Amino acid sequence: EAQVTQNPRYLITVTGKKLTVTCSQNMNHEYMSWYRQDPGLGLRQIYYSMNVEVTDKGDVPEGYKVSRKEKRNFPLILESPSPNQTSLYFCASSLRGAETYEQYFGPGTRLTVT
Amino acid sequence: AQTVTQSQPEMSVQEAETVTLSCTYDTSENNYYLFWYKQPPSRQMILVIRQEAYKQQNATENRFSVNFQKAAKSFSLKISDSQLGDTAMYFCARPASSNTGKLIFGQGTTLQVKP
Repeated sequence: EAQVTQNPRYLITVTGKKLTVTCSQNMNHEYMSWYRQDPGLGLRQIYYSMNVEVTDKGDVPEGYKVSRKEKRNFPLILESPSPNQTSLYFCASSLRGAETYEQYFGPGTRLTVT
Repeated sequence: AQTVTQSQPEMSVQEAETVTLSCTYDTSENNYYLFWYKQPPSRQMILVIRQEAYKQQNATENRFSVNFQKAAKSFSLKISDSQLGDTAMYFCARPASSNTGKLIFGQGTTLQVKP
């Protein structure tokens, strides 16, 4: 089944404790992206990747890191999480750039930072 | 500032009736795509419909259609014969610019379909 998977689905952590949210797609898509969703703000793009070893900042990259060493994986790293990073996170992929192609979204990761 | 504006935070409609969700945007591009995504209570985001700006014909997908007014930078979504399964949050989105992969979403409109 073609899909985007994210893990974990739910995470409660404490300020400053490094964490990684994994994202994997099995559709051989070139493009992958991370978003955060907050009430009243919609989805905001954190980072995106047009292909392996190519990443770029979205609108809200501060406090996040990403890497794209393999085509299928695009992990999101929070080196020192803070409470303002409490949010719902989505990973997405598309055949090529999301400005043209349909994005397929993962199921979301609910992160709470206390 | 590059923005996508959905001015209706919440809407409701009776089952089988028609509802229109509004979206306005700004852009300096001439050719681009616009998207409507749906997020039901399950949180799974799925594409509803996509419009190419250079096409004058409005996109249609079954009960979903758009009213695209390029000059006015308006991109509304019309849902005909509303069904209970249409209850969801709907997001309008447009590219920040061509060939960058950056996508800008609106704030979302929560639609409740009532039986």
